[in-house]
Amino acid sequence: KNEVEQSPQNLTAQEGEFITINCSYSVGISALHWLQQHPGGGIVSLFMLSSGKKKHGRLIATINIQEKHSSLHITASHPRDSAVYICAVPSQGGADGLTFGKGTHLIIQP
Amino acid sequence: NAGVTQTPKFQVLKTGQSMTLQCAQDMNHNSMYWYRQDPGMGLRLIYYSASEGTTDKGEVPNGYNVSRLNKREFSLRLESAAPSQTSVYFCASSEMYPNNSPLHFGNGTRLTVT
Repeated sequence: KNEVEQSPQNLTAQEGEFITINCSYSVGISALHWLQQHPGGGIVSLFMLSSGKKKHGRLIATINIQEKHSSLHITASHPRDSAVYICAVPSQGGADGLTFGKGTHLIIQP
Repeated sequence: NAGVTQTPKFQVLKTGQSMTLQCAQDMNHNSMYWYRQDPGMGLRLIYYSASEGTTDKGEVPNGYNVSRLNKREFSLRLESAAPSQTSVYFCASSEMYPNNSPLHFGNGTRLTVT
């Protein structure tokens, strides 16, 4: 089963800072998901990527398939970015369900 | 569009009671899932339905049953609730199984079993 490690577990930063959240996994994959869980509990899919980089607004996700590593970056962070960010990968690497990381709890202070 | 709607939002049960969590999606997705989220752990898959008419066990199926009523609806039943089933439950859907399409989540059900 794919093992997913996220770092850091907790991150507190000041508004405007550049944020990086990391995700490493143990088994080669077809696609990786980044999710955001709001303080109220709702979960939203941010990105699904299999190579390279994707950008949506101030959020950027990158993946290095060879190194089994992905990063989520937030530029010009804002208090509304405060949330838990979760990485998920295929459990066996290919055609199966997802294994989720424990999440990175991000707090952006004004 | 409502997306994924799950009910109820909160529920308190006594040990041994039964209940059904309801989930419906209006995105014409083929695949639907039930997850539980516990403190300090990642989301864990309870059951999934890759397509209408099929259901399969996930990582933590014991104590649960599911029904894929039609393409829109996927329910989760606890026949005899136990304190270990205290958790937050999420229903999700995706266009296809297994994992090469984005997941859409409901808002969650916070269940407490006393």
